[in-house]
Amino acid sequence: AAGVIQSPRHLIKEKRETATLKCYPIPRHDTVYWYQQGPGQDPQFLISFYEKMQSDKGSIPDRFSAQQFSDYHSELNMSSLELGDSALYFCASSLWGGGDTQYFGPGTRLTVL
Amino acid sequence: EDKVVQSPLSLVVHEGDTVTLNCSYEVTNFRSLLWYKQEKKAPTFLFMLTSSGIEKKSGRLSSILDKKELFSILNITATQTGDSAVYLCAVEGYSGAGSYQLTFGKGTKLSVIP
Repeated sequence: AAGVIQSPRHLIKEKRETATLKCYPIPRHDTVYWYQQGPGQDPQFLISFYEKMQSDKGSIPDRFSAQQFSDYHSELNMSSLELGDSALYFCASSLWGGGDTQYFGPGTRLTVL
Repeated sequence: EDKVVQSPLSLVVHEGDTVTLNCSYEVTNFRSLLWYKQEKKAPTFLFMLTSSGIEKKSGRLSSILDKKELFSILNITATQTGDSAVYLCAVEGYSGAGSYQLTFGKGTKLSVIP
């Protein structure tokens, strides 16, 4: 069965650069969630989208923005990168309110030098 | 604020042992409790629990939820070295504005030694 796809899998950037992470949900899933997991930390919820609209917002820095497109894929845009942004960024998808659980993608590992 | 507490934080056992991992939670508008296994990659889904007292089983793993006491346990019998991982408990709650959100615990790191 198709799973959540994230790209790239690994990304290395320098401070003050920008990065864009992409997430392709499971087919027919209409809700996308972004999580950030720092080294040795719990995953932290950043933001979620349903039907191309932001549905909830967590601890997402102002330097980050995200959107969901008409084909339901989502992009997380990160600007003015800081060393502390180095983390594993998970995307998860689900069906809205349908009792479906969130299915996680493999994650994008971002390293900021 | 939603809260999920897992214990123990770390556990080392010998192959063949049985382990019990605990997860307690405080959440408004509880919808489900999920267990994940996380190795060096994204967490992989193990169980979703929504009803009290109904045990879910998958091979050597089983889990049960107590919605009155607000906790869940994950049992692993006859542990194997391949069970070594971080086990995450997450609770799904309704956060308002038509949205659900997962709150993760810190995880229990299980190490199974031969």
